[in-house]
Amino acid sequence: TQLLEQSPQFLSIQEGENLTVYCNSSSVFSSLQWYRQEPGEGPVLLVTVVTGGEVKKLKRLTFQFGDARKDSSLHITAAQPGDTGLYLCAGAWGRLSFGAGTTVTVRA
Amino acid sequence: GAGVSQSPSNKVTEKGKDVELRCDPISGHTALYWYRQSLGQGLEFLIYFQGNSAPDKSGLPSDRFSAERTGGSVSTLTIQRTQQEDSAVYLCASSYLSGPECYEQYFGPGTRLTVT
Repeated sequence: TQLLEQSPQFLSIQEGENLTVYCNSSSVFSSLQWYRQEPGEGPVLLVTVVTGGEVKKLKRLTFQFGDARKDSSLHITAAQPGDTGLYLCAGAWGRLSFGAGTTVTVRA
Repeated sequence: GAGVSQSPSNKVTEKGKDVELRCDPISGHTALYWYRQSLGQGLEFLIYFQGNSAPDKSGLPSDRFSAERTGGSVSTLTIQRTQQEDSAVYLCASSYLSGPECYEQYFGPGTRLTVT
């Protein structure tokens, strides 16, 4: 049973479109991290959110932590082929627990 | 390079054989983590080390799995009597600060294990 549920599981969009990936749980986390993983490589940390309601921006990526610290979203504006990858959320709850990930494909 | 390295990158073994997977963390990182990633699944926590000791080994799936870390650096994950369900990518990560949560973890490229 996944502590963190990510949706959708797969997402394929055209270059220039926007997308949102969701990470939900019934548990409260002290912090939540988002990673991106490319084939044959390990995950790379994108951001850590700590405060309920917090919004962080990383260029075209916007991350939001829910007010109750149980959920988070990742929004990409004007997606580019370089954004293709597996996006993983991970919640800190005693130990870091990872969701199953969302596979994002951006077509040129 | 200065990143986390893992070896071998790929390992194919026959059911019942033992395998050893190696992780070289970033120099100076005191915490080291092992995860397993199966197709369509997220990362499954296995064990973490603080220095040479393992405060939390509760994620190891069975007593066929063991890990050690020597000199506060290199770690080896050993799987005895491998089974087909052990097939997965085994990822190692290290971090400068201790504890299993919250801190930025730097991942290696992983070892893809296939048990035939």
